[in-house]
Amino acid sequence: SAVISQKPSRDICQRGTSLTIQCQVDSQVTMMFWYRQQPGQSLTLIATANQGSEATYESGFVIDKFPISRPNLTFSTLTVSNMSPEDSSIYLCSVAEDRYTEAFFGQGTRLTVV
Amino acid sequence: DAKTTQPPSMDCAEGRAANLPCNHSTISGNEYVYWYRQIHSQGPQYIIHGLKNNETNEMASLIITEDRKSSTLILPHATLRDTAVYYCIREGGATNKLIFGTGTLLAVQP
Repeated sequence: SAVISQKPSRDICQRGTSLTIQCQVDSQVTMMFWYRQQPGQSLTLIATANQGSEATYESGFVIDKFPISRPNLTFSTLTVSNMSPEDSSIYLCSVAEDRYTEAFFGQGTRLTVV
Repeated sequence: DAKTTQPPSMDCAEGRAANLPCNHSTISGNEYVYWYRQIHSQGPQYIIHGLKNNETNEMASLIITEDRKSSTLILPHATLRDTAVYYCIREGGATNKLIFGTGTLLAVQP
């Protein structure tokens, strides 16, 4: 099974600033995803991180607000830009080694915007 | 659109089997059924998945009806540590993109 390390685990940020979240996997994986979990809610998929190319965003999420990088098969970053209190959520990285296999999740980054 | 329907909450006595239902009446032939759970303040954890046949692993059993319109996750001997939100998810695009619904909060009672 893949082991995922997400950094930071939590942060408190001022509105208008940006935060970059890192996701490091201990093995090469084909698929990487970023999710958001707002307080008391289920998980919402933000985007698929594609190696060496632009991420594929889900409806309601845009690159200017959530730029994503994936330089290789073990690492990805998600930036939450120009933050507002509505961005306060847990952000989770997920990976899958191949299609039709289980997905693994990081422990998440708990972001509070004040 | 999560495309699955689950009861919002269930209770189960410790040591008894927990049977969690899921309705996916519009499932297509190439879509798998996945189950994940999320224990408070942790990332979701994979439990099991299946296409047509019933499946069993060390954590649970998955029973899929013959018409594939519904399924049941069975935790054979629930413990307090099984208290979590359980998500039933359809995925058929070979992308591993998981669209989470609201899930079922299973409370295991001592």
